[in-house]
Amino acid sequence: SQQGEEDPQALSIQEGENATMNCSYKTSINNLQWYRQNSGRGLVHLILIRSNEREKHSGRLRVTLDTSKKSSSLLITASRAADTASYFCATVLQGAQKLVFGQGTRLTINP
Amino acid sequence: EAGVVQSPRYKIIEKKQPVAFWCNPISGHNTLYWYRQNLGQGPELLIRYENEEAVDDSQLPKDRFSAERLKGVDSTLKIQPAELGDSAVYLCASSLFGAGRAEKLFFGSGTQLSVL
Repeated sequence: SQQGEEDPQALSIQEGENATMNCSYKTSINNLQWYRQNSGRGLVHLILIRSNEREKHSGRLRVTLDTSKKSSSLLITASRAADTASYFCATVLQGAQKLVFGQGTRLTINP
Repeated sequence: EAGVVQSPRYKIIEKKQPVAFWCNPISGHNTLYWYRQNLGQGPELLIRYENEEAVDDSQLPKDRFSAERLKGVDSTLKIQPAELGDSAVYLCASSLFGAGRAEKLFFGSGTQLSVL
């Protein structure tokens, strides 16, 4: 079973624009993580946000977490062609050791 | 630092044949995960090891899937016999401790299995 649901399922934007992806989950979490997966490759960790945090930044990435709405968003600013990939949110349920992934958002950056 | 290494990269077999995947995690990582990823979907956990102990195998189809992690380092995932529905990418990941301790996972490149 999958805990998180990403929205949109697919997103296509022009290079230089900002990309926003959303993730909703169902039950209380310990932390939420975002991963990127390039075609045919494994997943790469991008950023982790704990349940008591509301916002984190890493370079061109900004992640927000709203535990009252059980949702998170990933913003990529000034997108580049190399940002083309699938992006997954993953949650660690409270009291669990398991990382559960959503279905992902396929992001395409057009040059 | 070497990453998580998986082999083979691709595997094509006929249904009912056995198949095995191998994973070498990052040195010193106690926790090892096997995930299965179907096309267009997110990874789904099959089994998690803490050192050599399988602590979560609730999603592993035990009638045909088996896994082992000898000496708490390398791990092997086996399917016998394979079915058409087993076609997927099998991903191995490792972390120093469990995900509940806010640990990020390091993934290998995966093995893409095609069952014909």
